[in-house]
Amino acid sequence: EVQLVQSGAEVKKPGETLKISCEASGYGFINYWIAWVRQTPEKGLEWMGIIYPGDSDTRYSPSFDGQVTISVDTSTNTAYLQWSSLKASDTAMYYCARQISGWFPVDYWGQGTLVTVSS
Amino acid sequence: EIVLTQSPDTLSLSPGERATLSCRASQSVYSSFLAWYQQKPGQAPRLLILGASSRATGIPDRFIGSGFGTDFTLTISRLEPEDFAVYYCQQYGNSPVTFGQGTKVEMK
Repeated sequence: EVQLVQSGAEVKKPGETLKISCEASGYGFINYWIAWVRQTPEKGLEWMGIIYPGDSDTRYSPSFDGQVTISVDTSTNTAYLQWSSLKASDTAMYYCARQISGWFPVDYWGQGTLVTVSS
Repeated sequence: EIVLTQSPDTLSLSPGERATLSCRASQSVYSSFLAWYQQKPGQAPRLLILGASSRATGIPDRFIGSGFGTDFTLTISRLEPEDFAVYYCQQYGNSPVTFGQGTKVEMK
């Protein structure tokens, strides 16, 4: 069974660092891209970027380029999304999702990680 | 980037009725790489339709996707109680991938 299990909810202060995770199981991790998607009530679903675990090829949406870092650890089948300096506007639900290639949409999603940034 | 505009924002219908959801793109979607997702409260989105008209694995045939170019439609032929949710379209043919703002299908 394909599963993407994300790390738990986080409450952080502005300026702090954060790294959330997405552990994959039930399929060949290195053969599928992993995308990160942000969801807020104001802006809805936003595509942040995507990484291919096979070679760590990473592509960011222009809105998020330079704002976050996407990485993977193939030894643990885990993808990561990290911030070096959080802002209140980073408060959102974050989802990871897998995609076999650009010819197909993401199919399986993680359960989401709620990030709250507040002073 | 391609902007996807969904209409209506909310659809109030009864079980058994037909739902018709629209997704209009600001420019042509490459190769009809248009998907539809369903999201229920507290859950992640679930893939329903890919390639504008192909149902994802396990999706009932009451969900019908159609359209090409800039105009796409999701039709739910007969609403079941479990179909009341928010529906999003997504284009994945042009970078960056973008989503519509969603249509809420609520029970009348």
